[in-house]
Amino acid sequence: QKEVEQNSGPLSVPEGAIASLNCTYSDRGSQSFFWYRQYSGKSPELIMFIYSNGDKEDGRFTAQLNKASQYVSLLIRDSQPSDSATYLCAVSPYGQNFVFGPGTRLSVLP
Amino acid sequence: EAQVTQNPRYLITVTGKKLTVTCSQNMNHEYMSWYRQDPGLGLRQIYYSMNVEVTDKGDVPEGYKVSRKEKRNFPLILESPSPNQTSLYFCASSLRTGNTEAFFGQGTRLTVV
Repeated sequence: QKEVEQNSGPLSVPEGAIASLNCTYSDRGSQSFFWYRQYSGKSPELIMFIYSNGDKEDGRFTAQLNKASQYVSLLIRDSQPSDSATYLCAVSPYGQNFVFGPGTRLSVLP
Repeated sequence: EAQVTQNPRYLITVTGKKLTVTCSQNMNHEYMSWYRQDPGLGLRQIYYSMNVEVTDKGDVPEGYKVSRKEKRNFPLILESPSPNQTSLYFCASSLRTGNTEAFFGQGTRLTVV
């Protein structure tokens, strides 16, 4: 059983702070890693993807991947109230289906 | 505009009455899938299709059927809905499996009474 785990939250951070979202996965064959954001009642939308160990930055977002520890994280700098949403981690072994984690609910307090 | 379109957005039905949720994508994607989302359980895959006439079970296929007669369409069929199928359903498509972005439809909130 391939599993992806996330803390369900809610994770509360003050506006302007760094939010750190974490995800662990069980399948060592996983090669592609995605972070999706989902507002309440809406469909998930892709924020970032990462394939290689290390950090990948895109604006206020940084994805970090450590395959040896089977760990992927998402950092959100200068958090804004509009970042309040559920963040879904998705993992995929090459050529296989996505497996989604349960999501972490983030609340950014003004 | 590239998109995945699901219909209906909201549906209330009674136990045992067959229903179909449609899904269509205009991006010429090979891979399509259906998920259900329940509180605390995240997105769970129901069925997926890697191409026309190729479908396979996901993690929670019981009580559902799908078909892929055309590349753009991937309907989800509930032959005899039951209350435990009350959920939020998403259709998704991607260029191919795994290492490409999944695009999601708007979601269908289904209530079975």
